[in-house]
Amino acid sequence: AQKITQTQPGMFVQEKEAVTLDCTYDTSDPSYGLFWYKQPSSGEMIFLIYQGSYDQQNATEGRYSLNFQKARKSANLVISASQLGDSAMYFCAMRGFNTNAGKSTFGDGTTLTVKP
Amino acid sequence: DTEVTQTPKHLVMGMTNKKSLKCEQHMGHRAMYWYKQKAKKPPELMFVYSYEKLSINESVPSRFSPECPNSSLLNLHLHALQPEDSALYLCASSQEEAGGQDEQFFGPGTRLTVL
Repeated sequence: AQKITQTQPGMFVQEKEAVTLDCTYDTSDPSYGLFWYKQPSSGEMIFLIYQGSYDQQNATEGRYSLNFQKARKSANLVISASQLGDSAMYFCAMRGFNTNAGKSTFGDGTTLTVKP
Repeated sequence: DTEVTQTPKHLVMGMTNKKSLKCEQHMGHRAMYWYKQKAKKPPELMFVYSYEKLSINESVPSRFSPECPNSSLLNLHLHALQPEDSALYLCASSQEEAGGQDEQFFGPGTRLTVL
């Protein structure tokens, strides 16, 4: 079974500051992928960043970076230099490479509000 | 073209109506998905198609009927829905179903209201 936990229902950050969104996970799969998606109020889910369980380095994509600590089973998203357009709901998700490979498990999400 | 399109954007239907949601992708992806999402909640997987065959059905009521006419198209046929079926319906695709490293590309969704 897979489980994703996002403990922050809502977060606030000042424009231009950095913010960390927490994600912890549990899985019996030895190999898995971790994903972060952004969902603005318009509804579309936008892929942000991916981290493979065997990747040695933390993933980065522009202003997004993933702080991956495998031993702690955490995959926190760091957004640097926040912008007003970053206000959205953020979901952490996981896919196994073996069992349940077709199923993405999503966390409950974190609503981020960027203040001007 | 890295886009998944969905039509219609909004749909209002009565409990006795029959309607269909459509989804299309031209990325050559072999896996396509239907999700249901209630407000402020994560998406819930409904169906997965892999190579045009139904791979996963998450015990969805029979009033929802998926169809995959070809590798680019995915439909969701709706009949005799209930008000609690009102939600955002998201379509997604990925390179393969069994690809733990494959991100899913999502469409903009159809906001469904059942009266």
